[in-house]
Amino acid sequence: EVQLVESGGGLVQPGGSLRLSCAVSGFTLSSYWMSWVRQAPGKGLEWVVNINQDGSEKYYVDSVKGRFTISRDNAQNSLYLQMNSLRVEDTAVYFCARVEKTTKYGAYGDYYDYYFMDVWGKGTTVTVSS
Amino acid sequence: IQMTQSPSSLSASVGDRVTITCRASQNIGNYLNWYQQIPGKAPKPLIYAASSLQSGVPSRFRGGGSGTDFTLTISSLQPEDFTTYYCQQSYRTLLWTFGQGTKVEIK
Repeated sequence: EVQLVESGGGLVQPGGSLRLSCAVSGFTLSSYWMSWVRQAPGKGLEWVVNINQDGSEKYYVDSVKGRFTISRDNAQNSLYLQMNSLRVEDTAVYFCARVEKTTKYGAYGDYYDYYFMDVWGKGTTVTVSS
Repeated sequence: IQMTQSPSSLSASVGDRVTITCRASQNIGNYLNWYQQIPGKAPKPLIYAASSLQSGVPSRFRGGGSGTDFTLTISSLQPEDFTTYYCQQSYRTLLWTFGQGTKVEIK
């Protein structure tokens, strides 16, 4: 069974740090892009960051650039999110998600890659408060 | 890229046909996904590439549109469909954004 399990959330003071982990099972982590998505209490979903299969490409939402760092250890089947300089507005449930890629072919030999998040963990709660 | 969903909420009855709209601030081709989220649960993918149904998703869900305007249509609402739906653009370099969500409530 494909499974993602987040951990590491908790209560932290503004300016503090936390490291989230996402343990994966049931698939080969090294074959997939991975994402972190967060959801503030009572609010919508916010994409946070993507990382490619070997960790050489990372894309962050502007609000966390320079403060959050995504990493992965494919041998340990784990994804991480190091969160520094935390702010009250970082309070949220943080989900890790697997990114599925689908390729569609056009009529002239062209092709297009589509990405979506097909498997999600249940989330871990981060609360930033004094 | 900003994604704007409308309406923010709607009321409907079991068996109704409902349509949710998602508008992108620029042309995103058909790089548009839809997710369903039950309160307290993780999102679940419904539609990818604007109109492709994710495996296991009932055929009453249909996605459409391209460019800047997209729709999610539920042809006949079932009791388990009364929840929140999000669109998400996946255009180009994996810098993604979600719409603000649409809550489907029981009338």
